[in-house]
Amino acid sequence: AQKVTQAQTEISVVEKEDVTLDCVYETRDTTYYLFWYKQPPSGELVFLIRRNSFDEQNEISGRYSWNFQKSTSSFNFTITASQVVDSAVYFCALSEQHTGGFKTIFGAGTRLFVKA
Amino acid sequence: DSGVTQTPKHLITATGQRVTLRCSPRSGDLSVYWYQQSLDQGLQFLIQYYNGEERAKGNILERFSAQQFPDLHSELNLSSLELGDSALYFCASSVPVATALNTGELFFGEGSRLTVL
Repeated sequence: AQKVTQAQTEISVVEKEDVTLDCVYETRDTTYYLFWYKQPPSGELVFLIRRNSFDEQNEISGRYSWNFQKSTSSFNFTITASQVVDSAVYFCALSEQHTGGFKTIFGAGTRLFVKA
Repeated sequence: DSGVTQTPKHLITATGQRVTLRCSPRSGDLSVYWYQQSLDQGLQFLIQYYNGEERAKGNILERFSAQQFPDLHSELNLSSLELGDSALYFCASSVPVATALNTGELFFGEGSRLTVL
């Protein structure tokens, strides 16, 4: 069964600090996809990054970077030099392909406060 | 703009009533998903349709139903509403099969905020 755990409920940082959001997942599939989504105070959900199960290469995209480790079933997300506009709820998600689409479940979310 | 359109954006109704939420997926996406987000809660998967057929069911109450029409838009029907049904209801769409460029990320509409009084 799928499961996504975001142990951090809330994180508060001061602007320009780096912050890492943790995500641990469970799945029986060998092929799966991991995502991070952002939900700012306005409420919409915005796709940020994705990683395929067969590609453990970690990447950096601007101020965002992620650390995918299959051995520990973790997919952590780091924001470098945080800004006030990064304040939002961040959701980690796990997706598995099935006929006609994807079964995607979300973690409970981590609320990030970035103070000026 | 994700390309997914949801209406209405806000809806206030009374207990016992029935409402319909509408969703138009991104152009070309055949898969539509419905999620419920209650206050300070995560996203709960309700149901998924692919090209008009139901493909997956999550924690959807029997009072709720959905369908996807031939033009691919989808409707979520909520009946006998209770106070606890107050939530943000999201629709999302995706490609049906993972490709090198798109591995199933969901594109969400802005949500329909339902308030049951």
